[in-house]
Amino acid sequence: DAKTTQPPSMDCAEGRAANLPCNHSTISGNEYVYWYRQIHSQGPQYIIHGLKNNETNEMASLIITEDRKSSTLILPHATLRDTAVYYCIVRGNAGGTSYGKLTFGQGTILTVHP
Amino acid sequence: DTGVSQDPRHKITKRGQNVTFRCDPISEHNRLYWYRQTLGQGPEFLTYFQNEAQLEKSRLLSDRFSAERPKGSFSTLEIQRTEQGDSAMYLCASSPPWSYGYTFGSGTRLTVV
Repeated sequence: DAKTTQPPSMDCAEGRAANLPCNHSTISGNEYVYWYRQIHSQGPQYIIHGLKNNETNEMASLIITEDRKSSTLILPHATLRDTAVYYCIVRGNAGGTSYGKLTFGQGTILTVHP
Repeated sequence: DTGVSQDPRHKITKRGQNVTFRCDPISEHNRLYWYRQTLGQGPEFLTYFQNEAQLEKSRLLSDRFSAERPKGSFSTLEIQRTEQGDSAMYLCASSPPWSYGYTFGSGTRLTVV
């Protein structure tokens, strides 16, 4: 699975959009970009994933550049409860030999302040 | 559906003792994963089951570690002769046959003293 690079920490004001960047310059054509977050003392929580096109769900939006070498997770209206570690992960989807295991980096610690 | 359940939530044990953790995945999920997370690090993959078959093991899983999923439902992770370096959060996750979307449990925090 391709390696990802994320800033170690970011701050965001409550109610503002939080934009979390991720670089994955070695991503291959069949690899997806996944985002998870981990709130203190809990297991990681799935947020969103995408291949080429931008994706949106009730939690967030995922913007993937045309060359797929980077992406941005957008939390449109951050709340204090969004304070967490956010992980960007690249992996193949169904099939292959990785059996869907995730390779986590150190992630970005997002702190949302009042 | 109550999600992925892990038991116990916390375990303190003396060095050299054996410990066993249990994971109950979501009922229709045939894939089950174990991860380990130390302070300040992201989770690290340990092992993977598809139904009752253990299909992949990380090099992190030394011979003191063993995992089972006897009937393709719940799973156990046993650590023999615990060492202080085994202190970590042990996370279980499961996914259904039609997707690699994971659901994680809340983890078991192990402290070896």
